[in-house]
Amino acid sequence: EVQLVESGGGLVQPGRSLKLSCAASGFTFSNYYMAWVRQAPTKGLEWVAYISTGGGSTYYRDSVKGRFTISRDNAKSTLYLQMDSLRSEDTATYYCTTLGGYWGQGVMVTVSS
Amino acid sequence: DVVLTQTPVSLLISLGGQASISCRSSQSLVHSNGNTYLHWYLQKPGQSPQLLIYQVSNRFSGIPDRFSGSGSGTDFTLKISRVEPEDLGVYYCLQRTHNPPTFGGGTKLELK
Repeated sequence: EVQLVESGGGLVQPGRSLKLSCAASGFTFSNYYMAWVRQAPTKGLEWVAYISTGGGSTYYRDSVKGRFTISRDNAKSTLYLQMDSLRSEDTATYYCTTLGGYWGQGVMVTVSS
Repeated sequence: DVVLTQTPVSLLISLGGQASISCRSSQSLVHSNGNTYLHWYLQKPGQSPQLLIYQVSNRFSGIPDRFSGSGSGTDFTLKISRVEPEDLGVYYCLQRTHNPPTFGGGTKLELK
């Protein structure tokens, strides 16, 4: 059974950092590009970042460039998102996904003082 | 970035009826390899998105044939026939032909 399990979310003050993790199982993680997609409360889906199979190529939406870093550890089948200098507008549920058929259950990140 | 425009924004359908959702792209979604990476998702309330259709018209594993996708170039359509209660939620199109990937704004399917 395919599973993507996110962790690391929570309440954080503006300007602080948070690191999300996504543990994958049930498929060959190293064969897939992986992405983080977020959804602000009552809003639509928004791609945040994605990473190539080996980790050598990464892409970010403009609003998070320079603040967020996506990475992966294929030996551990785990995807990460380091989020620095967090802003209130980063408040959302963050999903780990292959941008195909596999999605995690999501983890909530709330940026508020 | 590629802009995907979904219409309508919301759809009121009777059980057993048919729904049609449009997704129009600001540029052609035909990749240089000849494939078209336009997918459809359903997000039920409180759940993660689930893949329904990939590459325009291919149903994902376990998706009933009541769901069908069509289109080419910049115009794509998702049709749901014989709507059932479990079909309710928000439908999104996603393009992966061009970097970065982009989503449509969503179409909410509700019961009349």
